[in-house]
Amino acid sequence: DAGVTQSPTHLIKTRGQQVTLRCSPKSGHDTVSWYQQALGQGPQFIFQYYEEEERQRGNFPDRFSGHQFPNYSSELNVNALLLGDSALYLCASSLRQGSLQYSNQPQHFGDGTRLSIL
Amino acid sequence: SQQGEEDPQALSIQEGENATMNCSYKTSINNLQWYRQNSGRGLVHLILIRSNEREKHSGRLRVTLDTSKKSSSLLITASRAADTASYFCATPAQGGSEKLVFGKGTKLTVNP
Repeated sequence: DAGVTQSPTHLIKTRGQQVTLRCSPKSGHDTVSWYQQALGQGPQFIFQYYEEEERQRGNFPDRFSGHQFPNYSSELNVNALLLGDSALYLCASSLRQGSLQYSNQPQHFGDGTRLSIL
Repeated sequence: SQQGEEDPQALSIQEGENATMNCSYKTSINNLQWYRQNSGRGLVHLILIRSNEREKHSGRLRVTLDTSKKSSSLLITASRAADTASYFCATPAQGGSEKLVFGKGTKLTVNP
């Protein structure tokens, strides 16, 4: 049973560039959330996708956008990269459909993509 | 804004000792979750405790929740070197949102 997989594991970009990160959820899961984790900090919620739509969004600018595909996999896109975007980007999946209280669902995390901006 | 805050920020103990980490939060919640993160890896879900529960056990883990004080604690008994990791509490954002809000974590070091 494959867990959450993310690619690539590491990425180096320069300021102003654009980046796309990818996530495949755990088998059987239908919801994907993205988090940004700066060094020494806890993860910060970016947004969540369910049924190919963005359902919730954290306090991140429009430079951060995403997509969910019919097979539930997801992409995170970041445009006009800034030095401050350097972080570990984590994808988490869970099963929402049929859940009476979704916020009670544990999140299953991938190992993240380490993004470095030079 | 931070919902949960863990305390202490760092904890160093010897193998076999117990480790206690605390989490405080600001608004009413319907559940609280604890996660572990090994260095450079993703987070692993440990335990979820609902607002109508006061205590929950899972193996060597014991979690308590005091909704009147808006606080939770995670106790790891008979710690092992493999327990070395950062531990985070997470709560739904204000208003029963589906988004999880994490604290800054407690970095636990278990010395052999």
